[in-house]
Amino acid sequence: DIVLTQTPLSSPVTLGQPASISCRSSQSLIHTDGNTYLSWFQQRPGQPPRLLIYKISNRFSGVPDRFSGSGAGTEFTLTINRVEAEDVGVYYCMHTARMYRSFGQGTKLEI
Amino acid sequence: EVQLLESGGDFVQPGESLRLSCAASGFTFSNYVMNWVRQAPGKGLEWVATISSAFHTYYADSVKGRFTISRDNSQNTLFLQMNSLRAEDTALYFCAKDIGGPAGDLAPDYWGQGTLVTVSS
Repeated sequence: DIVLTQTPLSSPVTLGQPASISCRSSQSLIHTDGNTYLSWFQQRPGQPPRLLIYKISNRFSGVPDRFSGSGAGTEFTLTINRVEAEDVGVYYCMHTARMYRSFGQGTKLEI
Repeated sequence: EVQLLESGGDFVQPGESLRLSCAASGFTFSNYVMNWVRQAPGKGLEWVATISSAFHTYYADSVKGRFTISRDNSQNTLFLQMNSLRAEDTALYFCAKDIGGPAGDLAPDYWGQGTLVTVSS
């Protein structure tokens, strides 16, 4: 099974400053179709998860451009260009490279 | 507008069964991979099960042999039959659809609000 390890698990940030979260996979996330299926989600308190980024770096519809994803192979990063107050929450990476899927442990972003 | 509405959560005793439903609207349900994801109180997200548009099913090891994911495309509804429930199955259960589309992208893009399952004696 693929294990995703996020760092840090908690990240104090300053409004207007950048923030980044790392996600390391125990195996390659390249699917048989050639794509790398690594996604990022934001979960605000009391809300369901919200898809931010899919296939490493593709922003989902309606996601502000201050969110960006990067990486390859087994190392991936979510970057928030300038943190805003509404970005507080828990962020998860998830792989869908195999039909047996998994999430990272989550990173709590707090101001 | 895509909508996913879960139901069926309840308070049950260990060993009992429960069936969750997820009513889908706003998209062609039969064309999409669908998922169940759960979140124990105060904990992170855990993938539970996935069913493809071709009815192939996949399960997390923690629920394999006890849970069954299914879909009724005529009713636009996703199900999760949960048997032999344990205290550790206590969680908010979300259903979610994959992006799909022409590229067949694999990632859950729309999520329901969840339904709460509590297993306790």
